[in-house]
Amino acid sequence: EAAVTQSPRSKVAVTGGKVTLSCHQTNNHDYMYWYRQDTGHGLRLIHYSYVADSTEKGDIPDGYKASRPSQENFSLILELASLSQTAVYFCASSDDRGGQNTLYFGAGTRLSVL
Amino acid sequence: AQSVTQPDARVTVSEGASLQLRCKYSYSATPYLFWYVQYPRQGLQLLLKYYSGDPVVQGVNSFEAEFSKSNSSFHLQKASVHWSDSAVYFCALSPSNSAGNKLTFGIGTRVLVRP
Repeated sequence: EAAVTQSPRSKVAVTGGKVTLSCHQTNNHDYMYWYRQDTGHGLRLIHYSYVADSTEKGDIPDGYKASRPSQENFSLILELASLSQTAVYFCASSDDRGGQNTLYFGAGTRLSVL
Repeated sequence: AQSVTQPDARVTVSEGASLQLRCKYSYSATPYLFWYVQYPRQGLQLLLKYYSGDPVVQGVNSFEAEFSKSNSSFHLQKASVHWSDSAVYFCALSPSNSAGNKLTFGIGTRVLVRP
């Protein structure tokens, strides 16, 4: 069974503070993704990576950085958290078979910025 | 640019009734199409996907979807729902010419199954 683990499961952060969300996968997948979920918007892609030590911008990268230190780990970093970044964040992984891949999602991290 | 539209934000059905969730897409070629389900406090799980061949695809838990190129649609159906089908359902699209799988999601349809 594919496994994607996110930590923490929930976090409260202060405006202007630094937040790091972590993701670990045991699927041996090349691709990893960070999505953000907001009511009325569905899920939107923030950053993704297809190889260790390299990240790519998704559709809404502003205000976020990503880090892929190894194939298994992918972090999302909010250097200066803002109120507008309150959302649920999902990490996912997939293998490298083109656009028909299945994404395997973690359970999500609920972030509240106060 | 591609987009996915799910016109129904909420659907309420009685247990045992049929269910249809609508999905319309916009893309210049034939895309890869997916339906994902999100149960409470969980991540998304794949229900089914279409990328070629028979336009009717079968998925897990007796769900099926029909691809229509002429209507740019990929509607999801189930003949008889159970209370455990209460969840949020997302339609998603991936461009057929992209590496990886950078999905574009609809806003989701929340389904409530009444006993």
